[in-house]
Amino acid sequence: AQSVTQLGSHVSVSEGALVLLRCNYSSSVPPYLFWYVQYPNQGLQLLLKYTSAATLVKGINGFEAEFKKSETSFHLTKPSAHMSDAAEYFCAVSFNTDKLIFGTGTRLQVFP
Amino acid sequence: EPEVTQTPSHQVTQMGQEVILRCVPISNHLYFYWYRQILGQKVEFLVSFYNNEISEKSEIFDDQFSVERPDGSNFTLKIRSTKLEDSAMYFCASSELGQGNYEQYFGPGTRLTVT
Repeated sequence: AQSVTQLGSHVSVSEGALVLLRCNYSSSVPPYLFWYVQYPNQGLQLLLKYTSAATLVKGINGFEAEFKKSETSFHLTKPSAHMSDAAEYFCAVSFNTDKLIFGTGTRLQVFP
Repeated sequence: EPEVTQTPSHQVTQMGQEVILRCVPISNHLYFYWYRQILGQKVEFLVSFYNNEISEKSEIFDDQFSVERPDGSNFTLKIRSTKLEDSAMYFCASSELGQGNYEQYFGPGTRLTVT
């Protein structure tokens, strides 16, 4: 079955530290992959997407993600965390259908 | 920058009542979606809509749910007889085209509380 897994429901980092949020997918067909961010009491905003053009994808706010087919992963990283990065992050996949399948989300906390 | 809008931001209703959630997708988009997020859980797909008909729906989208594009701008989700378990945040989204590789733009959501 096609699915997406986010390891770690909560991640805490210090301001200025590396952010790494993990996402793995399960699929027999090439997926389209997305990372969305949800700030408190707001909707979902697209950070970046992978659609088979380049394996390293750069997004907004300094985030990037690398598609690794051999590891079926699409981890989200940012070299230096900022307080404003505190939010919930969702990995999502699509498999040539209309719907997005979301992971369970990772809440990022950034400490000063 | 164009955005998806949703009204109301919060709807409280009694069990058994009908509710209509409204969305205005981005004007040149052709695909429209509804998702829901029960508190503390992940975002779940409900339905997609294209060319005035349902393109795809999930098992959650049963006969109690319906969608409509009543005019050229609005896209609505109707829940015929609400249940307590329908309490959730409902997100509308739209995209230029469908089939996976087009970005879906999400609205801010409508929080539905069924009492």
